[in-house]
Amino acid sequence: AQKITQTQPGMFVQEKEAVTLDCTYDTSDPSYGLFWYKQPSSGEMIFLIYQGSYDQQNATEGRYSLNFQKARKSANLVISASQLGDSAMYFCAMREGFNAGNMLTFGGGTRLMVKP
Amino acid sequence: DTAVSQTPKYLVTQMGNDKSIKCEQNLGHDTMYWYKQDSKKFLKIMFSYNNKELIINETVPNRFSPKSPDKAHLNLHINSLELGDSAVYFCASSQDFSLGRGNTIYFGEGSWLTVV
Repeated sequence: AQKITQTQPGMFVQEKEAVTLDCTYDTSDPSYGLFWYKQPSSGEMIFLIYQGSYDQQNATEGRYSLNFQKARKSANLVISASQLGDSAMYFCAMREGFNAGNMLTFGGGTRLMVKP
Repeated sequence: DTAVSQTPKYLVTQMGNDKSIKCEQNLGHDTMYWYKQDSKKFLKIMFSYNNKELIINETVPNRFSPKSPDKAHLNLHINSLELGDSAVYFCASSQDFSLGRGNTIYFGEGSWLTVV
């Protein structure tokens, strides 16, 4: 079974509007962390935001916020006031527990395109 | 200063050749990784090293041999290159094995390998 699922292969958003990128995850480990990365066309992987499974509040980093719904096992990324430079691939990823080699498991990504 | 740097950025080589990709991190991290991103943008862990010791080898063919001369370096050597090895290879690092907000995994810019 997929551990991380991103159901939107591609999305369009109008500049200055908000957009939500979906991510659901599957784990039986009570201790885990969820990450979002941005990959622009230049190829690098840029860390955006982190949410721990025990965090009481949703994470926010500037225009990025994470809508964490633990019972639903979802960790959607919300980008407010979209900018043209937000056009990129976005990956949701998870790290489980303390003895999982610290590796990240990635979803398949969502390509976001911001329209002027 | 680039936190995680890898060289070369682009590499075109013939089938059957042996090549290496070098990675260095200047973050003082204990844990380093190699990830492979295929043509469909799917990212998958290959290796994880902690303090120069191999922790994870995710069913990677033994033509791939990571080497960690010290904890700041994790090089990837590939023998007898095959067409299917064409991909983007990402080096990454994190402070250690623990989960937590401060223990983000940081990626290098990627090395684009094309086998012809």
